[in-house]
Amino acid sequence: DAGVIQSPRHEVTEMGQEVTLRCKPISGHDYLFWYRQTMMRGLELLIYFNNNVPIDDSGMPEDRFSAKMPNASFSTLKIQPSEPRDSAVYFCASSGGFLGETQYFGPGTRLLVL
Amino acid sequence: AQKVTQAQTEISVVEKEDVTLDCVYETRDTTYYLFWYKQPPSGELVFLIRRNSFDEQNEISGRYSWNFQKSTSSFNFTITASQVVDSAVYFCALSGGSSNTGKLIFGQGTTLQVKP
Repeated sequence: DAGVIQSPRHEVTEMGQEVTLRCKPISGHDYLFWYRQTMMRGLELLIYFNNNVPIDDSGMPEDRFSAKMPNASFSTLKIQPSEPRDSAVYFCASSGGFLGETQYFGPGTRLLVL
Repeated sequence: AQKVTQAQTEISVVEKEDVTLDCVYETRDTTYYLFWYKQPPSGELVFLIRRNSFDEQNEISGRYSWNFQKSTSSFNFTITASQVVDSAVYFCALSGGSSNTGKLIFGQGTTLQVKP
């Protein structure tokens, strides 16, 4: 089975531009998570969905960030407008359950905002 | 509050040495889950092991072994006869169960460098 798929793998953009990151979870997994990894803050959870519904977005840094999951096989994380401090690696993960279930991570999107 | 501490920021060993990565956790949950992930230089996060709080049996998988001790709130990871391919950042993570907090709380990671 295919793992979690993310695109693009690398994104370079200029400050002020809109950035859209995409994720396809593992088929059959009903939980989807978005994480951000930076040197300063490590791995931090931004938002997670259950059955396409956002459950907890308390980790989303500010209103410039938004996430959607229009169906069970696709999610987006959008940053508008982007800022240099948004530069990070963004991971998508999915799991077949929530409490104690293993989260499987995608390869990540490395975002650089100039 | 839940917390994971990986006190070793960086470890450097020579190939074939054994190395232990420490992980100490804090939680008030009676049911919880512990994980180890590996992040090689290519950047992806690879799942290694999951352990629940009721299972204190140590586990061995090839050159990898894990020592879970509830008495000291530790879940340490040992690589026997290390190889250059083991060079990576290793993350320990905690997920609470009884408090309905299924979020993964990650430690800051330990960078392991295995020199030939």
